[in-house]
Amino acid sequence: EPEVTQTPSHQVTQMGQEVILRCVPISNHLYFYWYRQILGQKVEFLVSFYNNEISEKSEIFDDQFSVERPDGSNFTLKIRSTKLEDSAMYFCASRPVLAGSGEQYFGPGTRLTVT
Amino acid sequence: AQSVTQLDSQVPVFEEAPVELRCNYSSSVSVYLFWYVQYPNQGLQLLLKYLSGSTLVESINGFEAEFNKSQTSFHLRKPSVHISDTAEYFCAVREKAAGNKLTFGGGTRVLVKP
Repeated sequence: EPEVTQTPSHQVTQMGQEVILRCVPISNHLYFYWYRQILGQKVEFLVSFYNNEISEKSEIFDDQFSVERPDGSNFTLKIRSTKLEDSAMYFCASRPVLAGSGEQYFGPGTRLTVT
Repeated sequence: AQSVTQLDSQVPVFEEAPVELRCNYSSSVSVYLFWYVQYPNQGLQLLLKYLSGSTLVESINGFEAEFNKSQTSFHLRKPSVHISDTAEYFCAVREKAAGNKLTFGGGTRVLVKP
């Protein structure tokens, strides 16, 4: 069964460094998402992406964040200058355009630790 | 804006006992409702969903959830749990009319004891 994959599973970085989190959505899906979960807190929506542009973003998704679909298969989340409070589990999700229910398929997550 | 509340952060339960995980939501518009499960070291997997129609929905592994519009609830139940049901369970909503995002509750960690 096709699944969303994410790399790396764990990333450790120093404050102020740039990180890129990578996701490979399910191949025939057209909507892509990033969510994050700070330890002990809720899973929070960051951004949705459709037709090569951001369709919705949350207040968390400020100028330090960007998303890209560089090659038709990968979907990346970049944090330009990481802060301690960016430490979290980051989940990628995708869904096919015909799934009107909004059912999203999630990857296993990347744990980002900022020191 | 919608919000989701899962009242229990942890639920210890003995094997073969029943379990209920509570989920309440608030929204000014109609919503779709979901339960996701996260097994240790894995991603979020869809357990079941309510879109419309019958208010009782079931999963293939014995879980069921009932949509109660008047109480704005979508509680998850299983009459007899297994050790393998040990996981974290997340309730989520999505507004039907606008946007794509899911809004999650805080999660309930279920620990099944032998």
